[in-house]
Amino acid sequence: QVQLVQSGPEVKEPGASVTVSCEASGDNFANSGFSWVRQAPGQGLEYMGWISVFNGNHNYAENLQGRVTMTADTSSSTVYMELTSLTSDDTAVYFCAALFCGGGGCYEMRSWGQGTLVTVSS
Amino acid sequence: EIVLTQSPGTLSLSLGSRATLSCRASQSVSAGYLAWYQQKPGQAPRLLIHGGSLRATDIPDRFSGSGSGTDFTLTITRLEPDDFAVYYCHQYGSSPRTFGQGTKVEIK
Repeated sequence: QVQLVQSGPEVKEPGASVTVSCEASGDNFANSGFSWVRQAPGQGLEYMGWISVFNGNHNYAENLQGRVTMTADTSSSTVYMELTSLTSDDTAVYFCAALFCGGGGCYEMRSWGQGTLVTVSS
Repeated sequence: EIVLTQSPGTLSLSLGSRATLSCRASQSVSAGYLAWYQQKPGQAPRLLIHGGSLRATDIPDRFSGSGSGTDFTLTITRLEPDDFAVYYCHQYGSSPRTFGQGTKVEIK
């Protein structure tokens, strides 16, 4: 089972950008896929998108298009999620999750990071 | 976008009883790519069921998933204290992937 360790909490002002990292253990990173999910205080889970490390494909939630970018660094087995033009509505815990990948596709989220709290406040 | 609607919003049950959670999709979920996650306060979600009915690693057989098309069910038999949590369904067969709003299972 892949272990995921995320970066620490962030406090940002409105209009700023934030980058959250997620380091994966294991030796199959280059053939992996990862999702990002966020959860506002007291709310449910919101799917943000996913990235395939092995072919570079990505898919982002429509409401975040233009503000979110997901990347992967195979040299450090780390995936990143950058969110720009932050507002108070982006205050949430951000989770990365490792997808089960096989047969050319990536499917359910099987392992999760511990979550990173991003607070947007002036 | 496939909208997933979970019901009920809250389920109040006693220890040892059976929980039946529903997830209804606005369109057919491709190839049964429907998962269930359990989340406890302050923790990351945990995968319970994928492919509609396949239990994830180390998940006890008290948890079972069923359904196809637009209607899916998570059943938890013989509720234990550790089972009281929020449960989310998630479809990953179509883009964008989506979650239901969650069902909270609480102790009666």
